[in-house]
Amino acid sequence: GEDVEQSLFLSVREGDSSVINCTYTDSSSTYLYWYKQEPGAGLQLLTYIFSNMDMKQDQRLTVLLNKKDKHLSLRIADTQTGDSAIYFCAASSASKIIFGSGTRLSIRP
Amino acid sequence: DADVTQTPRNRITKTGKRIMLECSQTKGHDRMYWYRQDPGLGLRLIYYSFDVKDINKGEISDGYSVSRQAQAKFSLSLESAIPNQTALYFCATSGGQDALDTGELFFGEGSRLTVL
Repeated sequence: GEDVEQSLFLSVREGDSSVINCTYTDSSSTYLYWYKQEPGAGLQLLTYIFSNMDMKQDQRLTVLLNKKDKHLSLRIADTQTGDSAIYFCAASSASKIIFGSGTRLSIRP
Repeated sequence: DADVTQTPRNRITKTGKRIMLECSQTKGHDRMYWYRQDPGLGLRLIYYSFDVKDINKGEISDGYSVSRQAQAKFSLSLESAIPNQTALYFCATSGGQDALDTGELFFGEGSRLTVL
């Protein structure tokens, strides 16, 4: 079945860009997602990309998809303290959505 | 009011007890899911249901059962709780896989279960 992997932690300085990487195994995944989880809350969809796209930009967020390498990344420009959260990569697979382990993003002053 | 509501939000119980976690939604979605979250393991799918008569096992269904009482209600049961079922449990819904649907999941706020 689908396996989604991402690193557990990332620390960046406030104002810098954050890049969170993810790999997945199911080449038939139609949608790839980034969810954000703030402390004490459920997950909320941050952005998604359709599998026939290479890039999607939405304000400070840029998603890059390398379908050949099954690699997805999320870039957050001008990272702010409010961006502190756990970011989950997820992939659609056989009518289900499979999540990675989540990357905890912390912001240094 | 939240679109996806989970009860209870927190529960502490003892090994061997039966526990039910309930989920209700006002989004009118057909698809409902139960996930558990453990630190470093992300979210793992326990059970999912595409409509009232459809129940499917996820990655880690052993030790759990579910009931889809209505389109809007999906409950998760632990018949005999054990300590390694201590986790944060999330209910989620999605609208389905039609042409306009991206498969986005809408999550409840979670139910934290501690089994002593």
